[in-house]
Order: sequence, then C-alpha cells, then structure tokens
Amino acid sequence: SQQGEEDPQALSIQEGENATMNCSYKTSINNLQWYRQNSGRGLVHLILIRSNEREKHSGRLRVTLDTSKKSSSLLITASRAADTASYFCAFVGRGNNNDMRFGAGTRLTVKP
Amino acid sequence: DSGVTQTPKHLITATGQRVTLRCSPRSGDLSVYWYQQSLDQGLQFLIQYYNGEERAKGNILERFSAQQFPDLHSELNLSSLELGDSALYFCASSAGGYIQYFGAGTRLSVL
Repeated sequence: SQQGEEDPQALSIQEGENATMNCSYKTSINNLQWYRQNSGRGLVHLILIRSNEREKHSGRLRVTLDTSKKSSSLLITASRAADTASYFCAFVGRGNNNDMRFGAGTRLTVKP
Repeated sequence: DSGVTQTPKHLITATGQRVTLRCSPRSGDLSVYWYQQSLDQGLQFLIQYYNGEERAKGNILERFSAQQFPDLHSELNLSSLELGDSALYFCASSAGGYIQYFGAGTRLSVL
C-alpha cells in the first residue's frame, strides 16, 4: 500500500501546550499536505510543503519534511481547545496524476 | 464552507440495493475525487475525474462506478450493497493543483 503512517494515533494535551504529529511514507513524492478533520466532517486543507522544501510555517502551524527519511511532522504551537480534531498527512507520489494517499491520522484532543 | 456540495447527507438502505451519491464541485474546479472513510480502512481514494474523463483509479470495487457530467457534477453509484460498504463517502474537487477541497460527506448505512 502507498498509504502513509502517522504517529501517534492519538494525542491528548492541555491548552497552551504544543502538539507534534509525525507522518511517514514509502514512495517518492511531489509534495506533502496536512489536512484537518473535525469529527464526521469533511477534511480541510491546512498546509502544503513541496518536496524541495524543508520547513514551512502558517500561523501556529509548522511543517517539516525530510525526504531522505521519507517523513514529515506537523507542529501546532500554543494549542487551543478548538484545535481538537483528527489530522491527516496526504501525499501525491511522483507520476501518479494527483492520486492522493492519506495517512491513518492522529486524533488530537486539547483539554481546556 | 468549502464550496463542494454533497447530497444526500445521510442514506440508509438495505443489503443488495443500489444508491447514487451526488457531488457538485467548487465553481470552476475541473477535477473531482471520491473517497471512502471507514473506521477500519481509514480514508481510501476511490476514483478521480477530470473534465468528464476518468483520470485515476484507486481502491474502487467493481460494484462501484462513477461519472462526471458536462456540468462537472459527479455521481458515485454503489450497487449490490454489503454491510461493509457502510462508511462516509467524501467528494473533493480541485482546480488542477494539488490542494483538494472536501464536501461534508454522505454517511451511508447499509442494514
């Protein structure tokens, strides 16, 4: 399977703490994205990092990409209760015509 | 609001039946993607259409089929339904780039 793997599967933290989620994949990629899903709702795109980038920021989000290790991490700083959701990495393999594969997701709970 | 509309929101049916899920992409988006999300399989890519033509195929069963119409809306047809087909089905659209915009999903329950 070309699915990604994420860890941890679940993460519970207090408001104000940082949350780090990791994603590993097996194929060569064009880019890697992170999406967020509130319970039972559609996914929402958060950030995209290209294969030639190593780090990217967007507000309280920081994404890193290590293509040599085929891994990425998503850091959410100063978390809020509203950040409670599932977070998925997604990637498109080279030459796969936008066939995007998703990781299994990390379920983040931020306690107020 | 992503701009992607999926109907119906919920669907309850019996084994052996056939259902059609509908998706209207964001205005101007030519690509439509279908995904299945279940507890044990996670989010699985099913199929992609681009401007009416099939572009990529994922883990789509032979009992399932899809099409994209000239007005760019898409339908996913699920037939000979089994209990294991119960899942959330998402449609997403894109303008041809890598970022996909997801609808709210159709929750299918097969009893």
